[in-house]
Amino acid sequence: EPEVTQTPSHQVTQMGQEVILRCVPISNHLYFYWYRQILGQKVEFLVSFYNNEISEKSEIFDDQFSVERPDGSNFTLKIRSTKLEDSAMYFCASSGLAGDTDTQYFGPGTRLTVL
Amino acid sequence: AQSVTQLDSQVPVFEEAPVELRCNYSSSVSVYLFWYVQYPNQGLQLLLKYLSGSTLVKGINGFEAEFNKSQTSFHLRKPSVHISDTAEYFCAVILTGFQKLVFGTGTRLLVSP
Repeated sequence: EPEVTQTPSHQVTQMGQEVILRCVPISNHLYFYWYRQILGQKVEFLVSFYNNEISEKSEIFDDQFSVERPDGSNFTLKIRSTKLEDSAMYFCASSGLAGDTDTQYFGPGTRLTVL
Repeated sequence: AQSVTQLDSQVPVFEEAPVELRCNYSSSVSVYLFWYVQYPNQGLQLLLKYLSGSTLVKGINGFEAEFNKSQTSFHLRKPSVHISDTAEYFCAVILTGFQKLVFGTGTRLLVSP
């Protein structure tokens, strides 16, 4: 069964450094998403991406965040200058098969630790 | 804006007992409803969904949920739980025509022998 994959599984970085989290969505899906879950809190929406542009974003997704689909398979989240409060589990998701466009399938997550 | 409430942060239950995890949502427009499960140190796995049609939906691992529009609820049930059902369960909603999933705070199901 096709699945969303994410790399790395765990990323440790120093405050102020740039990080790139990578995701490979399910093949043939059209919509891509990033969510985050701070330890002990609920899963929060960050951004959705369709047709090579951001279609919706939350207040959390400020100028330090960016997303990109650099090729036909990868979907990335970049955090330009990490802060301590960016420490969280980041989930990538995808959706968009005909007849199932509203169901989002999640990857295993990347745990980001900012020191 | 829509919101999701999962009143129970933790539900302890004995193996083979029935369980119900509660979920209520608030929205002035129609929504789609989902339950996701997160096993320890893993990602979010889709358990079941309600998009339209029959209000009783069946999912994986013997779980089912019932959409009740008048009570704005989507409670998750299983008639007999296993130790392996120990996990965090998240209810989520999405406004029809939009893409942002809104999650509840989660309910930790603890199944003991």
